[in-house]
Amino acid sequence: EVQLVESGGGLVQPGRSLRLSCTASGFTFGDYAMSWLRQAPGKGLEWVGFIRSKDHGGTTEYAASVKGRFTISRDDSKSIAYLQMNSLKTEDTAVYYCTRDLLILGPTGYYYYMDVWGRGTAVTVSS
Amino acid sequence: DIQMAQSPSSLSASVGDRVTITCRASQGISNHLAWFQQKPGKAPKSLIYAASSLQSGVPSKFSGSGSGTDFTLTISTLQPEDFATYYCQQYKNFPWTFGQGTKVEIK
Repeated sequence: EVQLVESGGGLVQPGRSLRLSCTASGFTFGDYAMSWLRQAPGKGLEWVGFIRSKDHGGTTEYAASVKGRFTISRDDSKSIAYLQMNSLKTEDTAVYYCTRDLLILGPTGYYYYMDVWGRGTAVTVSS
Repeated sequence: DIQMAQSPSSLSASVGDRVTITCRASQGISNHLAWFQQKPGKAPKSLIYAASSLQSGVPSKFSGSGSGTDFTLTISTLQPEDFATYYCQQYKNFPWTFGQGTKVEIK
């Protein structure tokens, strides 16, 4: 069974750091891109960032709201994707989800879409 | 950034009803659109990708259509388990962006 499990959430003070993990099972982790998303309490979904597979360069993309503060990395030997969050702000309070991203051929080239989601881990930034 | 606008933001419907949700992109995205379902307290679930392709395991009562800027999600016969919030999302360009969601409630 394909499964993603996020961990590492909790209560943290503004300005501090936190690292989230997304542990994958049931598929060959290294073959896939991965994303992180978040959902603030009572709000909609917000994409946070993305990391390509090593075969496609292992490069990353970020939302403007987190660029320069958050870093996504991956350890294919452990089947884990990480979200390193620095200089946390109260507005970063949310449930954080990771997704497996499938590469598909569209009418104008190759694109990724999110096909499997984890259950999420809650992050609260408060003093 | 590409803005996604869903309508309506909420709707009330009865079991057995046919429900349609629309999503509009601020610029053309070809068919690079996905739909997700989220139930309260749960993670989102993938329903449709490439505007009209059903994710594996998703029942055929869900269907999607559209291309360019205008898209629709249709639930052919609403069942109790379908009451949830539905989001559209474009994946043509980074940053990936979502509609604000449509909450489908029981009438």
